[in-house]
Amino acid sequence: AQSVAQPEDQVNVAEGNPLTVKCTYSVSGNPYLFWYVQYPNRGLQFLLKYITGDNLVKGSYGFEAEFNKSQTSFHLKKPSALVSDSALYFCAVKPGGYQKVTFGTGTKLQVIP
Amino acid sequence: GAGVSQSPSNKVTEKGKDVELRCDPISGHTALYWYRQSLGQGLEFLIYFQGNSAPDKSGLPSDRFSAERTGGSVSTLTIQRTQQEDSAVYLCASSSNRGRDIQYFGAGTRLSVL
Repeated sequence: AQSVAQPEDQVNVAEGNPLTVKCTYSVSGNPYLFWYVQYPNRGLQFLLKYITGDNLVKGSYGFEAEFNKSQTSFHLKKPSALVSDSALYFCAVKPGGYQKVTFGTGTKLQVIP
Repeated sequence: GAGVSQSPSNKVTEKGKDVELRCDPISGHTALYWYRQSLGQGLEFLIYFQGNSAPDKSGLPSDRFSAERTGGSVSTLTIQRTQQEDSAVYLCASSSNRGRDIQYFGAGTRLSVL
């Protein structure tokens, strides 16, 4: 069975500093990996995905994530945090084919002005 | 429509009543998911429909919960004999394999059981 771990319930970072939101996964075969973001009082939005190819994936709003197969990780990063990045971030994984997606428990990112 | 539509947006019910929540996925999307989210917390998987295959019901918390998807499109999540602990936001998402499984979420139905 597949699983996703987001070890931090909350991450605090000062505006302008780099941010990292951690995610590790377990899945059979090659994974499809995703990050979604949920802004306050809004629905979940797709941020970026890794399917195959370059381990560094770039997504919306200046976010990127690095796939590390040996560490089974897919950490979300941004070089310079904005206050508007404050939101709830979810990592998700699925195997290939017609299999369901599994979400992590979410990490609340708080960017401090 | 342009996106995933859920109705109603808010539902207040009395303990013990049955409720039905509706999800209209994006046209042509073969996969449909239901999740539950309590107070801005994590996503709890409920059920997954993929095309004409038997649904994955492994996340339904009790036999009071059921869901169906008619004609491979609209889905209804039914909660029978609602309890206060059922209060949450119920989210629906759909995806297409052509989109490499990116899920598009509806705005959710906020269920309050009094």
